[in-house]
Amino acid sequence: GAGVSQSPSNKVTEKGKDVELRCDPISGHTALYWYRQSLGQGLEFLIYFQGNSAPDKSGLPSDRFSAERTGGSVSTLTIQRTQQEDSAVYLCASSLTPAANTGELFFGEGSRLTVL
Amino acid sequence: GDSVTQMEGPVTLSEEAFLTINCTYTATGYPSLFWYVQYPGEGLQLLLKATKADDKGSNKGFEATYRKETTSFHLEKGSVQVSDSAVYFCALLDSNYQLIWGAGTKLIIKP
Repeated sequence: GAGVSQSPSNKVTEKGKDVELRCDPISGHTALYWYRQSLGQGLEFLIYFQGNSAPDKSGLPSDRFSAERTGGSVSTLTIQRTQQEDSAVYLCASSLTPAANTGELFFGEGSRLTVL
Repeated sequence: GDSVTQMEGPVTLSEEAFLTINCTYTATGYPSLFWYVQYPGEGLQLLLKATKADDKGSNKGFEATYRKETTSFHLEKGSVQVSDSAVYFCALLDSNYQLIWGAGTKLIIKP
């Protein structure tokens, strides 16, 4: 597609369940970012991929969070044993290349996660 | 570390009013500065940017000037419209090429 696509757009789950969030970046974009946006808060950086590797995982809040990217394209963010504090909107963004990063990221519409 | 501070919202204005949303930053060196906008139901998108001191970024009637003396990048528009209602984020690009974000300011324009 023309833009960054995220799925599901909404996910309601029970505490303790695992969830997977998917991001399909713009074709040709080698850099991919995951952010978390809690109500009334700014964007919290989670992880960044360059190709299939993740040089910066510093933002993952706990070992319950993991992410992978295959084929230099689609990425999956997995949250295991979800907690209520994981409720947020998870945003994915892509850019052409971070090395020449102009700061212009292209964002998806986000996946809203609600943990009951 | 680098940080961005922007005015808390919501900011509520009447149509055709003058808009200022304040943004200040703390950083080593002179980072590129950005304003992103998030319209209801849409993803964030770049609104404007400035890459060096005294640069003015502009788009859709919005402007922001990079002021290194005051470490600020305030967003302004002379006459807002209802369609400008959105959340506005100020950000800087740090030395590791990562964006550092402000908390966002919700703007509500009433007809």
